Amino acid sequence: QQPVQSPQAVILREGEDAVINCSSSKALYSVHWYRQKHGEAPVFLMILLKGGEQKGHEKISASFNEKKQQSSLYLTASQLSYSGTYFCGTEGGDSGGYQKVTFGTGTKLQVIP
Amino acid sequence: KAGVTQTPRYLIKTRGQQVTLSCSPISGHRSVSWYQQTPGQGLQFLFEYFSETQRNKGNFPGRFSGRQFSNSRSEMNVSTLELGDSALYLCASSFDSATPYGYTFGSGTRLTVV
Repeated sequence: QQPVQSPQAVILREGEDAVINCSSSKALYSVHWYRQKHGEAPVFLMILLKGGEQKGHEKISASFNEKKQQSSLYLTASQLSYSGTYFCGTEGGDSGGYQKVTFGTGTKLQVIP
Repeated sequence: KAGVTQTPRYLIKTRGQQVTLSCSPISGHRSVSWYQQTPGQGLQFLFEYFSETQRNKGNFPGRFSGRQFSNSRSEMNVSTLELGDSALYLCASSFDSATPYGYTFGSGTRLTVV
C-alpha cells in the first residue's frame, strides 16, 4: 500500500524551513527519501532504518517514528536548489529487507527568491 | 564511475505493439528494480531482479515482464501496448538491496503509446 505524503505542495522563500511528512498504514522496516528535479532522475537523499540507524545527506535531516509508522523530512534554511518533488519510499515488514520499496505520490516543493 | 544507463530515452509506439527497454546498472550493482512513473500515480513498482532472478513483483498485468542477464543488465518488455502504458519507466540499481544502500536511478525511458 502506498505511503501518504503531506503536504502535496509547498512554496517557500529562500531561508525558510519546511517539513514533509510520510505516513504508512503498515509496519515499516525502512524509509527512503528522494528528490526529483523536473526532467531528471530521482536522487537518493537519505534512508532511515528500523532501530534508529540513519544514513544520507548532511544538509537535510529526517526522523522515523516506528510506532506511528511515520517519517518526516526536515529542510532547514532552504536554498533555491532544494526545489523539486520529494518522494518517500517505504519498505515494510519485519523480515529485515529484500522487500519492494513503495513510493508515495510526492511533495512538490518550490523555493523562490 | 558511470551511472545507470537506460536506453532508449524516448519511444513512440502504436497501440498493440510490443516494446523492450534496457537498463545497465552501476558496475558492481546486482539488484535492478523497475518503476513506472505517471503524473497521477507517482512511482509504481514493477519488479526487481537480483542475480538473474526475479525477487519481487508489483501489481502489474502479465503484459509486463522482465529479465536480468549474468552481467546484471536488465530488460523489461511490455506486450500488446495500451494507451495507459504511456509513462516514464525508471530503472533503479542497488548493490544488494534498496535497504540500506539506497537506489541509484537512471534517467528513464519516456514511452508514448499512440
